[in-house]
Amino acid sequence: KNQVEQSPQSLIILEGKNCTLQCNYTVSPFSNLRWYKQDTGRGPVSLTIMTFSENTKSNGRYTATLDADTKQSSLHITASQLSDSASYICVVSRNTGGFKTIFGAGTRLFVKA
Amino acid sequence: EAGVAQSPRYKIIEKRQSVAFWCNPISGHATLYWYQQILGQGPKLLIQFQNNGVVDDSQLPKDRFSAERLKGVDSTLKIQPAKLEDSAVYLCASQYGSYNSPLHFGNGTRLTVT
Repeated sequence: KNQVEQSPQSLIILEGKNCTLQCNYTVSPFSNLRWYKQDTGRGPVSLTIMTFSENTKSNGRYTATLDADTKQSSLHITASQLSDSASYICVVSRNTGGFKTIFGAGTRLFVKA
Repeated sequence: EAGVAQSPRYKIIEKRQSVAFWCNPISGHATLYWYQQILGQGPKLLIQFQNNGVVDDSQLPKDRFSAERLKGVDSTLKIQPAKLEDSAVYLCASQYGSYNSPLHFGNGTRLTVT
């Protein structure tokens, strides 16, 4: 079954600290993996995309990694800011003649002052 | 560039009533998606259009949900009759070009069915 599982479900950190969010998937055949940030009351916004051959991608203070062998990805946030408080959703795409995306349930991050 | 526009922003209806949502994608984006996002969950695909044709509607509850994109630009999603479990945020997204392009989401319509 094609699934995307994220952990932890929620996380509270202090402003300025680093954190890492996890994504495990069983999607096949793998096409690409994206991380989206979803602020409360807004639609998700793409942070990074990685294809099979890429194992790391950065976007400012966000760094995503991909291990296609173990089917795991992580999103590392450095020097967190209050504005990082949001849900972070891992999305894996598969291409079986048609392109389909499978969304994880997201990790809810709270950054406290 | 202007983003994906959705309206209304909020809607409250009673069960068994009907409701319609509207989406205007980013200009030039051929692919349009409707997603349902229940609180605490990731978005679930309802329907995908390529121009004005349906690519995937396998998860659309066709007994009560319908969607159209007649001119290949804006789109409407309708629910008739609504059930309590339809309470959710309905997100529209558009995409340009290949499957490696990001989805651009609107801010959604929050539907509450009482």
